[in-house]
Amino acid sequence: GAGVSQTPSNKVTEKGKYVELRCDPISGHTALYWYRQSLGQGPEFLIYFQGTGAADDSGLPNDRFFAVRPEGSVSTLKIQRTERGDSAVYLCASSQGLAGTDTQYFGPGTRLTVL
Amino acid sequence: DQQVKQNSPSLSVQEGRISILNCDYTNSMFDYFLWYKKYPAEGPTFLISISSIKDKNEDGRFTVFLNKSAKHLSLHIVPSQPGDSAVYFCAASVYNTDKLIFGTGTRLQVFP
Repeated sequence: GAGVSQTPSNKVTEKGKYVELRCDPISGHTALYWYRQSLGQGPEFLIYFQGTGAADDSGLPNDRFFAVRPEGSVSTLKIQRTERGDSAVYLCASSQGLAGTDTQYFGPGTRLTVL
Repeated sequence: DQQVKQNSPSLSVQEGRISILNCDYTNSMFDYFLWYKKYPAEGPTFLISISSIKDKNEDGRFTVFLNKSAKHLSLHIVPSQPGDSAVYFCAASVYNTDKLIFGTGTRLQVFP
């Protein structure tokens, strides 16, 4: 497809479990972003990749959250020891990565529910 | 600390009339502003943007106005159409950084 895709679309897990969320960016986009949207809030920045490296991870809430992008394309957001407060929609976006003003294109998100 | 604020959670407008969505920000380092539209079960879609060196940007039915002294921007939709019914997010970024700071959104409903 031409857009950003995210899998799974929904994930239900139990408190304390480990989860992985996947993002496939638009082909050729070097910049990739993860955001988290809690109920009634706007998207909140988590981490930004330029190529394979995390250029800014200042939004990760704690060390239970980790993200990788080993080949500069697909990215995986990993959450260890999930907590009920982690329940949210996790959004991925990508851009051309040429300038900070490049348009960020969002995927449909993964809705994570921690029971 | 909410750096980007959308104080109206919802707005209802008749089809054909003007919709005005407002956004305020507190960080004077913001120099690029955007509006995104979001339908249920979809990701946000870019709508229009404005740089801090401008005070107006227009794209078809959509116009964004920026008042730097008041730290305020607004999105005007004229004429409003039922398909415009969605949640609208205001976002901002600081020069040479890539992360967007979003407001909490305004739900726009356009009725016939």
